[in-house]
Amino acid sequence: GAGVSQSPSNKVTEKGKDVELRCDPISGHTALYWYRQSLGQGLEFLIYFQGNSAPDKSGLPSDRFSAERTGGSVSTLTIQRTQQEDSAVYLCASSLGPRKNTEAFFGQGTRLTVV
Amino acid sequence: GNSVTQMEGPVTLSEEAFLTINCTYTATGYPSLFWYVQYPGEGLQLLLKATKADDKGSNKGFEATYRKETTSFHLEKGSVQVSDSAVYFCALTAVSGGGADGLTFGKGTHLIIQP
Repeated sequence: GAGVSQSPSNKVTEKGKDVELRCDPISGHTALYWYRQSLGQGLEFLIYFQGNSAPDKSGLPSDRFSAERTGGSVSTLTIQRTQQEDSAVYLCASSLGPRKNTEAFFGQGTRLTVV
Repeated sequence: GNSVTQMEGPVTLSEEAFLTINCTYTATGYPSLFWYVQYPGEGLQLLLKATKADDKGSNKGFEATYRKETTSFHLEKGSVQVSDSAVYFCALTAVSGGGADGLTFGKGTHLIIQP
């Protein structure tokens, strides 16, 4: 597509429920990133994919968080047993990668609210 | 590990004022440096970048120079406009930390320009 697409744009869920967030990267981009943006906390790195593999999962905050990428394209971020502190905007980005000066393109994000 | 430190906001200026947003970094090797901008209600987008020491990135009247000796990448603009009001993020990529092509972000600086 023309840009990075994320869905849903907004998600309200009850504490304890599981949620799935989806990211469609730009066609041909092999690198894909997930970040979390909390109010006043800046951008928090979650996970990085190169193709279907995830060389860096160091940012996932707990074992309730997991992510996968299939076919080197679409990625899903799953949060199990959601907690109120999971409320944030989840951003996905993609780039041509794996060159360090490659620009990353961001989606509009999914705003997750856990009530 | 890699890290980016930028000045805390919000920064409030009058239209046509001179802008500096400080950014310093810690990284292994020779990182590439970026400024991203997030306008109200929009996603993050690349503003400018520099890939080696003494390079100057520029766009939309903004400039930043890669200073290896001071590990800095300060953002400057000679005369700001109301339309520059946004959140600005300094970022870097490096071979180690955050993955082979991962971006490390600062916490962001909220810039408010008053007419």
